[in-house]
Amino acid sequence: DAKTTQPTSMDCAEGRAANLPCNHSTISGNEYVYWYRQIHSQGPQYIIHGLKNNETNEMASLIITEDRKSSTLILPHATLRDTAVYYCIVRVEASWGKLQFGAGTQVVVTP
Amino acid sequence: DVKVTQSSRYLVKRTGEKVFLECVQDMDHENMFWYRQDPGLGLRLIYFSYDVKMKEKGDIPEGYSVSREKKERFSLILESASTNQTSMYLCASSLSGRGNSNQPQHFGDGTRLSIL
Repeated sequence: DAKTTQPTSMDCAEGRAANLPCNHSTISGNEYVYWYRQIHSQGPQYIIHGLKNNETNEMASLIITEDRKSSTLILPHATLRDTAVYYCIVRVEASWGKLQFGAGTQVVVTP
Repeated sequence: DVKVTQSSRYLVKRTGEKVFLECVQDMDHENMFWYRQDPGLGLRLIYFSYDVKMKEKGDIPEGYSVSREKKERFSLILESASTNQTSMYLCASSLSGRGNSNQPQHFGDGTRLSIL
């Protein structure tokens, strides 16, 4: 699996958009980008994934650069409940085999 | 909506006890997984299953066994609990089959198990 790099932490004001970057410069053509988050003392929560097109669901948007070497997760209107560690991972298959998260980005949403 | 339910959020057991952790998913997923998560060690895969009555060892199966008698239920068993099995245990499930390999694993809320 390709390695990913994320900032250690970031703050966001409640109600504003949170833009979380992820670098994956060694990504292969058949690898997907997945985002999960983990709120303290809870299990990881799947957010979104994509291959090369931008994706949007009820939780977030995923913007993948044309060269696919980086991506941005956008939480359009951050709330206090979005405070969590956010993980970006790159996988060919996520349905099978063990998932491994890196250190992720600690996002703190402040009032 | 996706739902993976673990039977207990918090559990306290004694050394030497046999401990059962239960996980149920309502999404008709073929694949199910048991991980443990410890500070500084990240997620570690204990066992997984791709079908009823099928199981495969993950990275750290020692001291654990699993049971999958029904598609929706995957049980983790600590045969004789020890203090080094104190951890957060996470169950996950995912779709299988052609065209589904990119589908994500969905996790339960975890069971925080303490062995005294």
